[in-house]
Amino acid sequence: AQTVTQSQPEMSVQEAETVTLSCTYDTSESDYYLFWYKQPPSRQMILVIRQEAYKQQNATENRFSVNFQKAAKSFSLKISDSQLGDAAMYFCAYRSAHFNKFYFGSGTKLNVKP
Amino acid sequence: DAEITQSPRHKITETGRQVTLACHQTWNHNNMFWYRQDLGHGLRLIHYSYGVQDTNKGEVSDGYSVSRSNTEDLPLTLESAASSQTSVYFCASSGPGDTEAFFGQGTRLTVV
Repeated sequence: AQTVTQSQPEMSVQEAETVTLSCTYDTSESDYYLFWYKQPPSRQMILVIRQEAYKQQNATENRFSVNFQKAAKSFSLKISDSQLGDAAMYFCAYRSAHFNKFYFGSGTKLNVKP
Repeated sequence: DAEITQSPRHKITETGRQVTLACHQTWNHNNMFWYRQDLGHGLRLIHYSYGVQDTNKGEVSDGYSVSRSNTEDLPLTLESAASSQTSVYFCASSGPGDTEAFFGQGTRLTVV
């Protein structure tokens, strides 16, 4: 089974600053998808951003962007201009292009300081 | 709007009792999943289904079962609840053309 590792259990960032959350994964497949999900205190899982492995260009969604390094099997999330509403648990996830199963990391709790 | 709903949102049960958590989706997705979320472990896959009458074990399936009699529902049953099954449970679904998983709002289960 694929494994997803988030080595930072908790991080803090000052409001308006930039923070990067790390994620690495282990797979022997060449086609797959990677995701970052946000889980605020409401418990709802919200998709933040996705990356297709066949795309070399890093995905961007407004203040959220990723640094996808396929050879290194690394998929970090950068949040620019951090806002108080960004405070949440963030999960990195992997999905094979051929098998519809999702594997999740252990999560990183992001605190945003005013 | 299509959605995926779980019920109940919260439940307290006693050790040894049978418990069923409901999951209903209106996306018409073939693929449905049950995860449990525990601190330090993220989301771990319990069971999944790729269509009616299809069910498969995930990485933490012991003590749990599912059945899929229609496209919309995938109920999760704890045969004999144990304290180790105290957790937050998430149901999710995805379609053939969708790359992402859509989640329900979660069920917090406490076994006392």
